[in-house]
Amino acid sequence: EVQLVESGGGLVQPGGSLRLSCAASGFTFSSSAMNWVRQAPGKGLDWVSTISPGGGSSYYADSVKGRFTISRDNSKNTLYLQMNSLRAEDTAVYYCAKDRHCDFWGQGTLVTVSS
Amino acid sequence: QSVLTQPPSASGTPGQRVTISCSGSSSNIGSNTVNWFQQLPGTAPKLLIYTNNQRPSGVPDRFSGSKSGTSASLAISGLQSEDEADYYCAAWDDSLNGWVFGGGTKLTVL
Repeated sequence: EVQLVESGGGLVQPGGSLRLSCAASGFTFSSSAMNWVRQAPGKGLDWVSTISPGGGSSYYADSVKGRFTISRDNSKNTLYLQMNSLRAEDTAVYYCAKDRHCDFWGQGTLVTVSS
Repeated sequence: QSVLTQPPSASGTPGQRVTISCSGSSSNIGSNTVNWFQQLPGTAPKLLIYTNNQRPSGVPDRFSGSKSGTSASLAISGLQSEDEADYYCAAWDDSLNGWVFGGGTKLTVL
């Protein structure tokens, strides 16, 4: 059974940092591209970042480029999102999603940026 | 303002057929395939349609997708109360080098 479990969300002040994790199981993690997608309260889906199976290529939305870094540890079947210089508009539920079609999503972790 | 354009709402009665449109441009829908996601209230999104018209295992054949030029559509036939959800289209955008989503369509079953 495919499982994606996000963690690391919480309340952080503007300008602060947070690292999200996504623990994967039930599929060959090292063969799957992985994605982060966020959803602000009451709003739609907003793509954040994608990383290739081996980690050699990564892509970012313009809104997070230079502030967020996606990475993965295939030996631990874990995806990460390092978020720096956080802003109020980064407040959202952050989902990790599997593969190029986002064919399975975790339950999400809430990030709140507020003073 | 989302890159892909969807109607904010749609509705139908049980048993009816409903379609949801998704309009894009040559850099996204025009040159890449379209996925559709269903998000039931309070839950994570679920892949409903991939590569324009393919259904993942477990998705009923009441759901179908199509694409023509720079537009795509999702059709739901035999509408059921449990279909009440938000629906999102998505495609890779070659200019932005990333995924783009529609703003979402809230489907109400009357």
